[in-house]
Amino acid sequence: RKEVEQDPGPFNVPEGATVAFNCTYSNSASQSFFWYRQDCRKEPKLLMSVYSSGNEDGRFTAQLNRASQYISLLIRDSKLSDSATYLCVVNSNTGNQFYFGTGTSLTVIP
Amino acid sequence: NAGVTQTPKFRVLKTGQSMTLLCAQDMNHEYMYWYRQDPGMGLRLIHYSVGEGTTAKGEVPDGYNVSRLKKQNFLLGLESAAPSQTSVYFCASSYSSPLSYGYTFGSGTRLTVV
Repeated sequence: RKEVEQDPGPFNVPEGATVAFNCTYSNSASQSFFWYRQDCRKEPKLLMSVYSSGNEDGRFTAQLNRASQYISLLIRDSKLSDSATYLCVVNSNTGNQFYFGTGTSLTVIP
Repeated sequence: NAGVTQTPKFRVLKTGQSMTLLCAQDMNHEYMYWYRQDPGMGLRLIHYSVGEGTTAKGEVPDGYNVSRLKKQNFLLGLESAAPSQTSVYFCASSYSSPLSYGYTFGSGTRLTVV
């Protein structure tokens, strides 16, 4: 079983739509969770951390469900510039390593 | 402030050749990492370092060696390149444990082994 699993998509949504991605993880002891954004042929960039109580950054909301071992990312009022691949990241047992999901592709359509 | 810089950005190698990828960071970060990214596989950790003079193996270390002689530099070596090492290589760094801060990535090196 993979450490981190994501639906690869693609998700094609119109501008202004709300879209949500889920990511499941296998290690119940994981403590740290992140969402990264990766544009085509670019490096991943940190989008936001995911806190136990859930957190929001503008149009983006991240949530953690420890009981079911998944994290989610909600994007409201989608913009064309949100088109990218979103990577889910979860730490390992040792804490020094992180496991990356394969990413979920989002395209926002005019 | 350059952040994390990787050189070279592109390289084509013949099978059996060797090369070194250089990662340099100017943020005084303690932790540095080398990942490879392949289609459908996500990013996989090759080796990492938690400080100057230290290195450790990640998920896919075979065929690679690393050195961290200076805090700001993390080198990835391929001793005898194989086509299976065709990939995009990303270096990343973190101030301390990335549990809280996540990573800063370099722009990547696209390596093709023919």
